[in-house]
Amino acid sequence: GEDVEQSLFLSVREGDSSVINCTYTDSSSTYLYWYKQEPGAGLQLLTYIFSNMDMKQDQRLTVLLNKKDKHLSLRIADTQTGDSAIYFCAEKSGGYQKVTFGTGTKLQVIP
Amino acid sequence: DTAVSQTPKYLVTQMGNDKSIKCEQNLGHDTMYWYKQDSKKFLKIMFSYNNKELIINETVPNRFSPKSPDKAHLNLHINSLELGDSAVYFCASSQREGSGNTIYFGEGSWLTVV
Repeated sequence: GEDVEQSLFLSVREGDSSVINCTYTDSSSTYLYWYKQEPGAGLQLLTYIFSNMDMKQDQRLTVLLNKKDKHLSLRIADTQTGDSAIYFCAEKSGGYQKVTFGTGTKLQVIP
Repeated sequence: DTAVSQTPKYLVTQMGNDKSIKCEQNLGHDTMYWYKQDSKKFLKIMFSYNNKELIINETVPNRFSPKSPDKAHLNLHINSLELGDSAVYFCASSQREGSGNTIYFGEGSWLTVV
């Protein structure tokens, strides 16, 4: 089955790094994603990682994947107030490659 | 150009009514989805269509009926609306085979049932 869990809330100071964590249960996941949702808007893809990778860096974003522990994290360096949003991790798995979303982490950046 | 567009963006309606939400994508994708986001922001897949064929149908009441007239469109019709149907409904699309199979989302349709 698929269960994707995240902590619900994270608060950081502007300029610090943020680390948002995610755990999933389906070992057959092929891709894992991070999406950002700003208030009143849809979901915007930030980055994704293939399941045979353990790290991916894209400017201020670093994704770490520990496949053994089924743990995914998103690190945002030099967090800005514009990064305040809800962040969803998601995994793709199964025959029809269904994408299951996590519960979302609300990131609050304090100026 | 909007990649995934859905209408209406806001919809307020009374219990018992029937309503539809339309979705169109201009990305040339072969797979489209409907997701429901509740008041706690939990996002659950409802349906997925690949080349107009229903491939994922989660435990959604029969009052919800998706219709895909072609690959670029996936509409959602809801009969006999209930208070619990109030949520944000997101349409999305992806290419089943390809780089990351990234899902692109519409801006959402805010449904309020009163």
